[in-house]
Amino acid sequence: EAEVAQSPRYKITEKSQAVAFWCDPISGHATLYWYRQILGQGPELLVQFQDESVVDDSQLPKDRFSAERLKGVDSTLKIQPAELGDSAMYLCASSRGRGPLTGELFFGEGSRLTVL
Amino acid sequence: TQLLEQSPQFLSIQEGENLTVYCNSSSVFSSLQWYRQEPGEGPVLLVTVVTGGEVKKLKRLTFQFGDARKDSSLHITAAQPGDTGLYLCAGGDSWGKLQFGAGTQVVVTP
Repeated sequence: EAEVAQSPRYKITEKSQAVAFWCDPISGHATLYWYRQILGQGPELLVQFQDESVVDDSQLPKDRFSAERLKGVDSTLKIQPAELGDSAMYLCASSRGRGPLTGELFFGEGSRLTVL
Repeated sequence: TQLLEQSPQFLSIQEGENLTVYCNSSSVFSSLQWYRQEPGEGPVLLVTVVTGGEVKKLKRLTFQFGDARKDSSLHITAAQPGDTGLYLCAGGDSWGKLQFGAGTQVVVTP
């Protein structure tokens, strides 16, 4: 069964260090999302890609966060420098469709980040 | 800030009881989805509703989308321990952007 792959599963880093997360969506899925989920809250959209283009990054803290999906397949989310408040679960999701017909989101298991 | 308000935040019930979870917003959504998330895992889609007033049933789960497409409810009949999890509603706009509520943590004890 096809799955969204994420790595690393867990990451512990010190503040001011750089950290990167990788996501490989389900093959053929056009839309890729990065969400941040703080414990006890719902996922918050950071960035949405359609193919290789950014559709929405309005909630991405661009002074320290960056995301890319160069060939419209896998994606990397980077944080530099990490801050204590960045501790959270970073979820990647993909969906088959585009625009308002994106349909079901398939989530990966997430990357749990702890910043010390 | 969550545009979707979910209530209650936490619900603990005994096996066999019924429960209802609510999802409310001041915004109109093109679609509304319900997900369940278990600890350490990503959310998994339960249902998508797109038409105002729509009711969908999935075994013991009943989902309703409000007539104005601003609110939704999830009702579970005869809850089982396997229903334990974080229930998230998510509203979709015309661009395919999906925004999540804060979730309702449901615990069903045997």
